[in-house]
Amino acid sequence: GDSVTQMEGPVTLSEEAFLTINCTYTATGYPSLFWYVQYPGEGLQLLLKATKADDKGSNKGFEATYRKETTSFHLEKGSVQVSDSAVYFCALSPGGATNKLIFGTGTLLAVQP
Amino acid sequence: DTGVSQDPRHKITKRGQNVTFRCDPISEHNRLYWYRQTLGQGPEFLTYFQNEAQLEKSRLLSDRFSAERPKGSFSTLEIQRTEQGDSAMYLCASSLTVQNTEAFFGQGTRLTVV
Repeated sequence: GDSVTQMEGPVTLSEEAFLTINCTYTATGYPSLFWYVQYPGEGLQLLLKATKADDKGSNKGFEATYRKETTSFHLEKGSVQVSDSAVYFCALSPGGATNKLIFGTGTLLAVQP
Repeated sequence: DTGVSQDPRHKITKRGQNVTFRCDPISEHNRLYWYRQTLGQGPEFLTYFQNEAQLEKSRLLSDRFSAERPKGSFSTLEIQRTEQGDSAMYLCASSLTVQNTEAFFGQGTRLTVV
């Protein structure tokens, strides 16, 4: 079945460092891809999405490109801030009518001042 | 609108007891989803509603689980005869009926079965 694999955390970075969180997927159809973020004490929030191959999603300085040839959707940010500390989830929606999401295991990011 | 709200935020129950959780979605959202998240894992899809109709159920949703969405507004998730393996965070999300649209999540109900 469809699945998402994320790099394990925690990832610890200093402020202003470059961030990459790897995400690969397995899907039989043409999924849409998402990154959700969960800040401490809050619910999951959509960070960015891409609905077809070669699309780039971006938001708040974060970017991810839908790469069909490598089945990847890696999250990047050029300069992280302490306020980016959170758990990041890669997810796919298999397509069709439901819009249900299949999530990876999540990656904890800790940014130190 | 205050977003998706879930009640209670925490529930501790003894094994074998029944529990019920409530989710109030964003008012104009006609889709409502339930997910379960265990420690160190991502959320797993349980079921979803389009208005009051329950359209899909995961194999994770055993016979002890039942979900309802009367009148297409709030939803309840009931677990009968709870087991320790049911301990998890139960998340509710809602969305519009648009493909690939954003799902808005509540903060979840953390269930501990002792």
